[in-house]
Formats: sequence, C-alpha cells, structure tokens
Amino acid sequence: NAGVMQNPRHLVRRRGQEARLRCSPMKGHSHVYWYRQLPEEGLKFMVYLQKENIIDESGMPKERFSAEFPKEGPSILRIQQVVRGDSAAYFCASSPDRNQYQPQHFGDGTRLSIL
Amino acid sequence: GQNIDQPTEMTATEGAIVQINCTYQTSGFNGLFWYQQHAGEAPTFLSYNVLDGLEEKGRFSSFLSRSKGYSYLLLKELQMKDSASYLCAVSSSASKIIFGSGTRLSIRP
Repeated sequence: NAGVMQNPRHLVRRRGQEARLRCSPMKGHSHVYWYRQLPEEGLKFMVYLQKENIIDESGMPKERFSAEFPKEGPSILRIQQVVRGDSAAYFCASSPDRNQYQPQHFGDGTRLSIL
Repeated sequence: GQNIDQPTEMTATEGAIVQINCTYQTSGFNGLFWYQQHAGEAPTFLSYNVLDGLEEKGRFSSFLSRSKGYSYLLLKELQMKDSASYLCAVSSSASKIIFGSGTRLSIRP
C-alpha cells in the first residue's frame, strides 16, 4: 500500500529556471495539499486541490507559483523563474476526503536548492 | 490573526517523561493534531483531539482544552529514537491545517 509519493527527492535549479515538483497521493485519496518548510521552521500551507479543482490557494505566492491536479496523473507544483528564497523543502499531503477530522498523510518531500 | 505557539527546543533524559505544550489562536477550530518529524523526513501523524480531555495511545498522550486554547503532548518512557521535532497543528477550516513551528526534542542517555 504505497504512501504519498513525491519526486524528485532533491532538485537543484539555477536562478531564473523553472522547478516542477510532483506528488502522487495515496491510493484512494482525492485531496492533495502542498506545504513549504524552511529550515528550522514549521510547515506553511500553500494550496489545497481536488481533482481538476483548486479549492484553497490562500497560501500561494501571487506570482511565479502555480499548482494543478489533473484528472489523470500526479499533482504538480510549478515554480517559474526561481529565486534563492524559493530554496526549501516542499511537502505534499493527501487525505481521502474533505473530512477535516482525517489526518493528512505526508510524502517525503522535495528539497529544492537554488544556485 | 492565526497563531500557534510551542517551545522551540526541549531536552529530556532517556526513560523519563516530557510534556510539550502548545497554545493556539485560530479563527476556526475543527481539531488539533500532533505530528512527529525526524530530520529530513516526512511528518508522521501521532494524535488528534477535537474534544476536551486526554487521549492516550501507548507511550504518547495528548490533551486538549478548547476554552484555554491549549494542548500538550506527553511522551513517557523516552527512547533515543524519540529525538525529533514535534509539530502542533490546528484544523482551522475544512481545507486548512495551520502548523506551529515545531519543538525540537533532544533525548540524552
């Protein structure tokens, strides 16, 4: 029973390039959440998606960041024209439904480093 | 505003008991979670409280007081592998969980 799968585990980009982070939720889960974690800090909510819908993107920066969860395939977090400040660990979590009483299950994260 | 406070670091001795406190102020409340996160790894779910009182699960217990906006995680019979960060998180709405900055717990022999 595979858990939440994120890839790549590590991603290095130069300033100005694009970064694409992928997340496949647990089997049977249709709700995906993206978080950013800076060193020595907690998880900061970015966006909540269901299949083909963005439900809550209140934590997403207004520019350069976008997320999608298509009908087929993984959820993608896309960062355009990366800057040094984008260096962080990006975690994806999934849950089976919109029940707020369900714990979210996390992937191992993608560590993004910007040169 | 929304705010979750927990101590940044704590140290405890192997075999002892430690209590990690968390206070919160959020616009909504649908429950409080505790997660454990080892360095470089994913957070893993420990406990969930939505009603006042103590929930016990093996060596770990979690307490909630909604009127005080307060929770604690109690770890008994500490083991070296319990060295990790412990994240307090509040479900403030159907779609959002707000995380505290985490408490880094170090266990000494």
